[in-house]
Amino acid sequence: KAGVTQTPRYLIKTRGQQVTLSCSPISGHRSVSWYQQTPGQGLQFLFEYFSETQRNKGNFPGRFSGRQFSNSRSEMNVSTLELGDSALYLCASSSPGQNLKNTEAFFGQGTRLTVV
Amino acid sequence: SQQGEEDPQALSIQEGENATMNCSYKTSINNLQWYRQNSGRGLVHLILIRSNEREKHSGRLRVTLDTSKKSSSLLITASRAADTASYFCATEETGSARQLTFGSGTQLTVLP
Repeated sequence: KAGVTQTPRYLIKTRGQQVTLSCSPISGHRSVSWYQQTPGQGLQFLFEYFSETQRNKGNFPGRFSGRQFSNSRSEMNVSTLELGDSALYLCASSSPGQNLKNTEAFFGQGTRLTVV
Repeated sequence: SQQGEEDPQALSIQEGENATMNCSYKTSINNLQWYRQNSGRGLVHLILIRSNEREKHSGRLRVTLDTSKKSSSLLITASRAADTASYFCATEETGSARQLTFGSGTQLTVLP
């Protein structure tokens, strides 16, 4: 089975621009989550999509948004980029059981975003 | 925000020795998971322990969970140079299914 695929792997953007990151989950996985990793704040949850609906959202400004398509692929968008948005953005997919919890997450290799 | 702290922040051992990492968290949880990350790359899932479990094994890994103390430990036995990585604990809090809250991580270095 192919793993979680994130594109692009590296990205350099200028302050004020917007960016879209893509995540293809493991085949059959319907839950996709996004995380931001920075040296200062560590790993922080952004949001989670399950069956095309945002189910959970972390404490990030509205500049961070996402969506999920019918094939479970997900995109994350950051508008009006700031220097502090430079980070490794990780996507994870999972296949929740009937109770929708207690499932392991499989992570992609991440997209390294640098804002200059 | 981060759920809690991992201890130690950094650990350096010789190949063949055992490595123990500890994780503390703050709230009620569904489960606790451990992940490994090599040099800023993706996270690799190691083990998941549910809130009603006390101990779990997977190969050279042993995880314990004490919900009364809100703490967990990860033991790697007979460590290898390839185990060099950052290790993170993550909790799925009660009421927040499929949302993981990560600890600050332990950087493990295994010297050959």
